[in-house]
This record gives sequence, C-alpha cells and structure tokens, in this order.
Amino acid sequence: DQQVKQNSPSLSVQEGRISILNCDYTNSMFDYFLWYKKYPAEGPTFLISISSIKDKNEDGRFTVFLNKSAKHLSLHIVPSQPGDSAVYFCAASSGAGSYQLTFGKGTKLSVIP
Amino acid sequence: DAGVIQSPRHEVTEMGQEVTLRCKPISGHDYLFWYRQTMMRGLELLIYFNNNVPIDDSGMPEDRFSAKMPNASFSTLKIQPSEPRDSAVYFCASSSLAEETQYFGPGTRLLVL
Repeated sequence: DQQVKQNSPSLSVQEGRISILNCDYTNSMFDYFLWYKKYPAEGPTFLISISSIKDKNEDGRFTVFLNKSAKHLSLHIVPSQPGDSAVYFCAASSGAGSYQLTFGKGTKLSVIP
Repeated sequence: DAGVIQSPRHEVTEMGQEVTLRCKPISGHDYLFWYRQTMMRGLELLIYFNNNVPIDDSGMPEDRFSAKMPNASFSTLKIQPSEPRDSAVYFCASSSLAEETQYFGPGTRLLVL
C-alpha cells in the first residue's frame, strides 16, 4: 500500500513556463514533507521541504504548497529551465523530522528548450 | 566534504554469489540509511542506524540481506546468496539532528545474472 503517491510518471514543460508536480499521501501522521531532485547516475538531492504547520514554502524558483485537508502537496517551478530536467521525488515523514522517509515513485520532468 | 561515498558504483554478479556494498557517511552524521530503488517499488528504506546501532530493519526484504555499521565512518550491506530479483540501485544516505534532510550517495547499481 503506497502511502505517498506521485500519479504522473512524467511531465513535459516548455522552457520559461511553470512546472507543477503533484504528490498525494494517505498517512495522516505525516507532518514533514520534502522534495528531492535526481539526475541519472546520481543520488537524490534535497530541493525544498515544508512542515505541516505551514501551507507554503518558497525558495527562489521553487515553491511547495501543502493542502493538509486534501492530503496533497505540489511543487511549482517557475520559470522552468532545461537544467530542471530530472526525476522529482516527494517524500514524507512523521514526528522525527527527516528520518524514516517514505518516498513516492517519482515524476520525470522534461523541460523543452 | 566529499559527501556520502559508496562503492562499488556498479556490480555485476551471478546468482548465488555474495555481494557486499559499502558506504562512508558524511563526517559528523550519526544517522545512516540504506535504500533500494526499483522500477516496481520505487525508493524504499531497507534499514537505518543511529550512532552505529540498527534502529529499524523492517524494510530488509529477507534473511539474505544483512547490514552492519562497525564504526561511525563505515557501513556495509551484504546479500548472500544474491538472486536476480535483487537487481536494483542501492543508495546510502546520512544525516544528523542538525540537518533538515538526508544526504544521498551516488548509489550502487547491482545486476544479478
């Protein structure tokens, strides 16, 4: 039973436009959420996080939105750049910060020049 | 800091052979995690250590898998005997209470023939 779901395996976006990656979760105990970016032949790298006490966190071109009632979060990238092309993983944890993360299966983002 | 170091980067072996994957965490980190990534199951946590002590190994698929952390700067994940279904990318990650995320190594791509 997948507790963190990324229902779109892939997404293509034109350079300069907004990329929106979605993530749903089922475990109401999750209170900390992270997004990781992964390039081929590399490990995932941390992008941005959000605590359940917030509904938005912004870092430069990246913004994460959290809708707790819908158990849904999204990552917005604006403007999208070709270097953003990667696999994006959503992850969640409960209680202990970034420990015991549960990951989604990832969404492959392709930004077309 | 060199980041999390994993070796080997690639491993090809035959069914029934013993496989040992190695990880050196970031200096000063007291949490170490082993993950496995497959197409079917995505990125799943196998086991994690705190101060060299295994805390949760519920993700270890079966007794053929074992992990050790003899000191703060080294951990191994061993598969004996290996089977074709063990083929995957294995990631090691480390963290500490002061960090908001886990830091991943580049992974070991394992192919069991």
